[in-house]
Amino acid sequence: AQKVTQAQTEISVVEKEDVTLDCVYETRDTTYYLFWYKQPPSGELVFLIRRNSFDEQNEISGRYSWNFQKSTSSFNFTITASQVVDSAVYFCALSGHNTDKLIFGTGTRLQVFP
Amino acid sequence: NAGVTQTPKFQVLKTGQSMTLQCAQDMNHEYMSWYRQDPGMGLRLIHYSVGAGITDQGEVPNGYNVSRSTTEDFPLRLLSAAPSQTSVYFCASSYSGVQRGNGYTFGSGTRLTVV
Repeated sequence: AQKVTQAQTEISVVEKEDVTLDCVYETRDTTYYLFWYKQPPSGELVFLIRRNSFDEQNEISGRYSWNFQKSTSSFNFTITASQVVDSAVYFCALSGHNTDKLIFGTGTRLQVFP
Repeated sequence: NAGVTQTPKFQVLKTGQSMTLQCAQDMNHEYMSWYRQDPGMGLRLIHYSVGAGITDQGEVPNGYNVSRSTTEDFPLRLLSAAPSQTSVYFCASSYSGVQRGNGYTFGSGTRLTVV
């Protein structure tokens, strides 16, 4: 069975602080894909990143960075110098090799205060 | 390309009424799926399809029906609406197999209230 755990329900920070959102996953597949999505207050789901299980390189995109560690089954997301516009719910999701199904974590609500 | 189109955006139903949520994609994606989003529970998979004529149940299928007669369309039917089905519904599509690593495309959602 596949499972994604986002233990942090809600995080509040002040603007310019760095914040890390945790994601732990479970799968028996050796090939799988991990995703992060952002859901702003407007409600749509915005794709942020995908990572396949063969690529453990960390990735940086502007203020966003992702740390993928197969040894701990984690795919954490860090926002550097947070801004008010980063306020949203962030979802981590997993798709295994043998299924097209995309399984989501319960999400982390990030509030960035000015 | 329109991507994934969901209609309607908002709907209010009375308990016991039936309705169909529409989902259409123009990307020739094999895989399509329906999720419901409830506070504190993330997005839970209702039904999914890996191609025309093929559907399967997800995590929370009860009270919902689907069919996939074409690659483009994947409607979700509520046969007899209940207040517990009040939720936001998302449709998503992707290529099947290893190509789904390219990502899933989501519709903008349907906010359904059952009174």
